[in-house]
Amino acid sequence: RKEVEQDPGPFNVPEGATVAFNCTYSNSASQSFFWYRQDCRKEPKLLMSVYSSGNEDGRFTAQLNRASQYISLLIRDSKLSDSATYLCVVNPITSGTYKYIFGTGTRLKVLA
Amino acid sequence: SQTIHQWPATLVQPVGSPLSLECTVEGTSNPNLYWYRQAAGRGLQLLFYSVGIGQISSEVPQNLSASRPQDRQFILSSKKLLLSDSGFYLCAIRDRITNEKLFFGSGTQLSVL
Repeated sequence: RKEVEQDPGPFNVPEGATVAFNCTYSNSASQSFFWYRQDCRKEPKLLMSVYSSGNEDGRFTAQLNRASQYISLLIRDSKLSDSATYLCVVNPITSGTYKYIFGTGTRLKVLA
Repeated sequence: SQTIHQWPATLVQPVGSPLSLECTVEGTSNPNLYWYRQAAGRGLQLLFYSVGIGQISSEVPQNLSASRPQDRQFILSSKKLLLSDSGFYLCAIRDRITNEKLFFGSGTQLSVL
Protein backbone atom coordinates (compact mmCIF):
# COMPACT_ATOMS: atom_id res chain seq x y z
CA ARG A 1 0.00 0.00 0.00
CA LYS A 2 1.27 3.43 -0.90
CA GLU A 3 1.95 5.79 1.99
CA VAL A 4 -0.35 8.43 0.53
CA GLU A 5 -3.03 7.64 -2.04
CA GLN A 6 -5.20 9.90 -4.14
CA ASP A 7 -7.63 9.43 -7.00
CA PRO A 8 -5.72 10.79 -10.01
CA GLY A 9 -8.86 12.09 -11.71
CA PRO A 10 -9.30 14.14 -13.79
CA PHE A 11 -12.34 15.67 -12.19
CA ASN A 12 -14.11 17.75 -14.84
CA VAL A 13 -16.61 20.11 -13.25
CA PRO A 14 -18.52 23.16 -14.47
CA GLU A 15 -17.85 26.60 -13.07
CA GLY A 16 -19.70 27.14 -9.82
CA ALA A 17 -19.77 23.47 -8.89
CA THR A 18 -18.65 22.01 -5.59
CA VAL A 19 -16.00 19.32 -5.79
CA ALA A 20 -14.35 17.17 -3.13
CA PHE A 21 -11.11 15.22 -3.10
CA ASN A 22 -10.08 12.54 -0.67
CA CYS A 23 -6.67 11.27 0.28
CA THR A 24 -5.78 8.27 2.44
CA TYR A 25 -2.55 7.68 4.33
CA SER A 26 -1.07 4.53 5.79
CA ASN A 27 1.04 5.76 8.71
CA SER A 28 -1.21 6.23 11.71
CA ALA A 29 1.55 8.16 13.49
CA SER A 30 1.42 10.97 10.92
CA GLN A 31 1.15 14.30 12.62
CA SER A 32 0.70 17.03 10.06
CA PHE A 33 -1.19 17.25 6.84
CA PHE A 34 -1.38 19.67 3.95
CA TRP A 35 -2.95 20.33 0.59
CA TYR A 36 -0.76 21.76 -2.14
CA ARG A 37 -1.73 23.03 -5.55
CA GLN A 38 0.47 22.44 -8.59
CA ASP A 39 0.02 24.08 -11.96
CA CYS A 40 1.48 22.43 -15.05
CA ARG A 41 5.30 22.54 -15.07
CA LYS A 42 5.37 24.65 -11.93
CA GLU A 43 6.42 24.03 -8.36
CA PRO A 44 3.77 22.96 -5.83
CA LYS A 45 2.42 25.75 -3.69
CA LEU A 46 0.88 25.42 -0.28
CA LEU A 47 -2.89 25.70 -0.39
CA MET A 48 -3.69 25.02 3.23
CA SER A 49 -2.77 23.03 6.27
CA VAL A 50 -5.25 20.50 7.58
CA TYR A 51 -6.14 20.62 11.25
CA SER A 52 -7.84 17.99 13.36
CA SER A 53 -10.88 20.19 13.91
CA GLY A 54 -11.20 20.99 10.22
CA ASN A 55 -10.46 24.38 8.74
CA GLU A 56 -11.72 26.71 6.08
CA ASP A 57 -10.06 29.31 3.89
CA GLY A 58 -12.53 31.12 1.68
CA ARG A 59 -14.01 28.60 -0.75
CA PHE A 60 -11.73 25.82 0.47
CA THR A 61 -12.44 23.49 3.37
CA ALA A 62 -10.07 20.81 4.63
CA GLN A 63 -10.91 18.02 7.03
CA LEU A 64 -8.98 15.28 8.77
CA ASN A 65 -10.33 11.94 9.92
CA ARG A 66 -7.62 10.27 12.01
CA ALA A 67 -9.67 7.19 12.79
CA SER A 68 -10.10 6.38 9.10
CA GLN A 69 -6.77 7.93 8.10
CA TYR A 70 -7.99 10.22 5.39
CA ILE A 71 -8.07 13.89 4.66
CA SER A 72 -10.36 15.76 2.33
CA LEU A 73 -10.48 19.00 0.40
CA LEU A 74 -13.74 20.65 -0.58
CA ILE A 75 -13.85 23.44 -3.14
CA ARG A 76 -17.05 25.44 -3.37
CA ASP A 77 -18.11 27.69 -6.25
CA SER A 78 -15.33 26.42 -8.53
CA LYS A 79 -13.53 28.97 -10.70
CA LEU A 80 -11.70 28.40 -13.96
CA SER A 81 -8.54 29.39 -12.12
CA ASP A 82 -8.97 26.44 -9.76
CA SER A 83 -7.93 24.10 -12.58
CA ALA A 84 -4.74 22.45 -11.35
CA THR A 85 -3.45 19.31 -9.68
CA TYR A 86 -4.10 19.06 -5.96
CA LEU A 87 -1.51 17.22 -3.92
CA CYS A 88 -2.13 15.67 -0.56
CA VAL A 89 0.90 15.78 1.75
CA VAL A 90 1.50 13.86 4.94
CA ASN A 91 4.31 14.40 7.40
CA PRO A 92 4.99 11.21 9.34
CA ILE A 93 7.67 12.75 11.60
CA THR A 94 9.79 9.76 12.52
CA SER A 95 12.57 10.21 15.05
CA GLY A 96 12.07 13.94 14.99
CA THR A 97 12.73 14.11 11.27
CA TYR A 98 10.26 15.82 9.02
CA LYS A 99 9.71 13.87 5.80
CA TYR A 100 6.94 15.15 3.61
CA ILE A 101 5.27 12.39 1.63
CA PHE A 102 3.25 13.47 -1.39
CA GLY A 103 0.35 11.77 -3.04
CA THR A 104 0.39 11.54 -6.81
CA GLY A 105 -2.20 14.31 -7.06
CA THR A 106 -5.74 14.76 -8.29
CA ARG A 107 -6.28 16.73 -11.48
CA LEU A 108 -9.12 19.21 -11.52
CA LYS A 109 -10.48 20.84 -14.66
CA VAL A 110 -13.08 23.52 -14.23
CA LEU A 111 -15.04 24.03 -17.42
CA ALA A 112 -16.70 27.22 -18.62
CA SER B 1 10.65 35.72 4.41
CA GLN B 2 12.76 32.97 2.94
CA THR B 3 13.73 32.83 -0.72
CA ILE B 4 14.79 29.72 -2.60
CA HIS B 5 17.10 30.04 -5.60
CA GLN B 6 17.22 27.10 -7.95
CA TRP B 7 18.85 27.04 -11.36
CA PRO B 8 18.84 26.42 -14.24
CA ALA B 9 15.15 26.27 -15.08
CA THR B 10 15.73 23.74 -17.87
CA LEU B 11 18.65 21.50 -18.65
CA VAL B 12 19.31 19.01 -21.44
CA GLN B 13 22.13 16.58 -20.83
CA PRO B 14 23.43 13.52 -22.70
CA VAL B 15 23.42 10.10 -21.08
CA GLY B 16 26.62 9.50 -19.16
CA SER B 17 27.33 13.16 -18.50
CA PRO B 18 27.69 14.56 -14.95
CA LEU B 19 25.10 16.69 -13.21
CA SER B 20 25.21 19.38 -10.58
CA LEU B 21 22.09 21.25 -9.50
CA GLU B 22 22.41 23.90 -6.84
CA CYS B 23 19.84 25.26 -4.44
CA THR B 24 20.50 28.20 -2.17
CA VAL B 25 18.19 29.79 0.33
CA GLU B 26 17.99 33.22 1.92
CA GLY B 27 16.13 34.68 4.82
CA THR B 28 16.44 31.76 7.17
CA SER B 29 19.03 29.80 9.07
CA ASN B 30 19.47 26.13 9.89
CA PRO B 31 16.55 25.00 7.73
CA ASN B 32 15.70 21.47 6.73
CA LEU B 33 16.38 21.11 3.01
CA TYR B 34 14.93 18.62 0.56
CA TRP B 35 15.38 17.39 -3.00
CA TYR B 36 12.34 15.96 -4.74
CA ARG B 37 11.96 14.58 -8.25
CA GLN B 38 8.79 14.44 -10.28
CA ALA B 39 8.88 12.18 -13.32
CA ALA B 40 6.53 12.97 -16.18
CA GLY B 41 2.94 12.31 -15.10
CA ARG B 42 4.04 11.07 -11.71
CA GLY B 43 4.00 12.27 -8.12
CA LEU B 44 6.81 13.87 -6.16
CA GLN B 45 9.42 11.45 -4.91
CA LEU B 46 11.58 12.46 -1.97
CA LEU B 47 15.22 11.90 -2.92
CA PHE B 48 17.25 13.46 -0.11
CA TYR B 49 16.78 15.59 2.94
CA SER B 50 19.21 17.38 5.19
CA VAL B 51 18.82 18.65 8.74
CA GLY B 52 22.20 20.40 8.84
CA ILE B 53 25.59 20.94 7.23
CA GLY B 54 27.06 17.66 6.05
CA GLN B 55 24.00 15.70 7.16
CA ILE B 56 22.30 13.94 4.26
CA SER B 57 19.65 11.25 4.33
CA SER B 58 18.87 9.32 1.18
CA GLU B 59 15.39 8.00 0.66
CA VAL B 60 15.83 5.75 -2.36
CA PRO B 61 18.84 4.02 -3.88
CA GLN B 62 19.65 5.73 -7.12
CA ASN B 63 22.19 7.26 -9.38
CA LEU B 64 22.25 10.55 -7.51
CA SER B 65 23.96 12.05 -4.48
CA ALA B 66 23.48 15.19 -2.44
CA SER B 67 25.70 17.43 -0.37
CA ARG B 68 25.22 20.36 1.96
CA PRO B 69 28.53 22.22 2.19
CA GLN B 70 26.97 25.31 3.78
CA ASP B 71 23.92 25.93 5.93
CA ARG B 72 21.92 27.42 3.07
CA GLN B 73 23.32 25.48 0.13
CA PHE B 74 22.10 22.09 -1.08
CA ILE B 75 23.59 20.39 -4.12
CA LEU B 76 22.30 17.45 -6.14
CA SER B 77 24.85 15.58 -8.22
CA SER B 78 25.41 12.64 -10.48
CA LYS B 79 28.62 11.29 -11.98
CA LYS B 80 26.86 9.67 -14.96
CA LEU B 81 23.30 10.47 -15.88
CA LEU B 82 20.84 7.80 -16.97
CA LEU B 83 17.76 8.23 -19.14
CA SER B 84 15.67 7.47 -16.06
CA ASP B 85 17.11 10.54 -14.30
CA SER B 86 14.93 12.78 -16.46
CA GLY B 87 12.36 14.70 -14.51
CA PHE B 88 11.43 17.88 -12.68
CA TYR B 89 13.81 18.45 -9.76
CA LEU B 90 12.59 20.55 -6.90
CA CYS B 91 14.44 21.92 -3.93
CA ALA B 92 12.36 22.61 -0.85
CA ILE B 93 12.84 24.12 2.56
CA ARG B 94 11.17 23.59 5.87
CA ASP B 95 11.47 26.73 7.88
CA ARG B 96 10.96 26.13 11.58
CA ILE B 97 9.49 29.58 11.95
CA THR B 98 6.65 28.91 9.50
CA ASN B 99 5.26 26.05 11.54
CA GLU B 100 6.31 23.02 9.56
CA LYS B 101 5.22 24.12 6.12
CA LEU B 102 7.28 23.12 3.11
CA PHE B 103 8.17 25.66 0.41
CA PHE B 104 9.59 24.92 -3.01
CA GLY B 105 11.98 26.53 -5.41
CA SER B 106 10.90 26.97 -9.01
CA GLY B 107 12.48 23.69 -10.10
CA THR B 108 14.76 22.41 -12.84
CA GLN B 109 13.33 20.43 -15.75
CA LEU B 110 16.06 17.92 -16.65
CA SER B 111 15.95 15.99 -19.90
CA VAL B 112 18.52 13.25 -20.35
CA LEU B 113 18.88 12.23 -24.00
